[in-house]
Amino acid sequence: GESVGLHLPTLSVQEGDNSIINCAYSNSASDYFIWYKQESGKGPQFIIDIRSNMDKRQGQRVTVLLNKTVKHLSLQIAATQPGDSAVYFCAEKELYFGNEKLTFGTGTRLTIIP
Amino acid sequence: DADVTQTPRNRITKTGKRIMLECSQTKGHDRMYWYRQDPGLGLRLIYYSFDVKDINKGEISDGYSVSRQAQAKFSLSLESAIPNQTALYFCATSDGGSGANVLTFGAGSRLTVL
Repeated sequence: GESVGLHLPTLSVQEGDNSIINCAYSNSASDYFIWYKQESGKGPQFIIDIRSNMDKRQGQRVTVLLNKTVKHLSLQIAATQPGDSAVYFCAEKELYFGNEKLTFGTGTRLTIIP
Repeated sequence: DADVTQTPRNRITKTGKRIMLECSQTKGHDRMYWYRQDPGLGLRLIYYSFDVKDINKGEISDGYSVSRQAQAKFSLSLESAIPNQTALYFCATSDGGSGANVLTFGAGSRLTVL
């Protein structure tokens, strides 16, 4: 079946450096891709999304890139801070037999080294 | 106060017991969801509801039931808990208006079945 996967389960980055979290997807029918951040003891929190007809979208210190040719999604976090330490999930949304279906990846743990 | 409140936050129970996890929201959203999170498996959808009279099964509904008591309340029940239902459970809401159907999650309910 369709799945959303991550290339790396853990990532450690020096504070102040940029980080890149990658995600591979397999469903060409997905119309939106979303990134969530989950801090310890909390529920996932929306970071940014990108529509499938876009290649890049920027937010505050975050940029999401979408490469439909190789079905790859990435989240770039600029000038990382200790508060960026969390598990990051990518998710893809598709219309499935008239209903929306949201599939989450397994997550990447980002650790910011002071 | 949190937009999405889950109770209890932690629960330890024994096999065969009936358990109810409750969720209330102040977002005014019509859509509510229950997800289960297990290490390495990401978030999996148990049940969802698009309005008070609407209940739909997700990908892992066996062994669970739900009740949408009001627009703001959505409860998840385990009629006879078993150890493999030990997990972190999240309630989420969305307004369905945005293209990405962004979810707002509660803080989670950690359930341990002995």
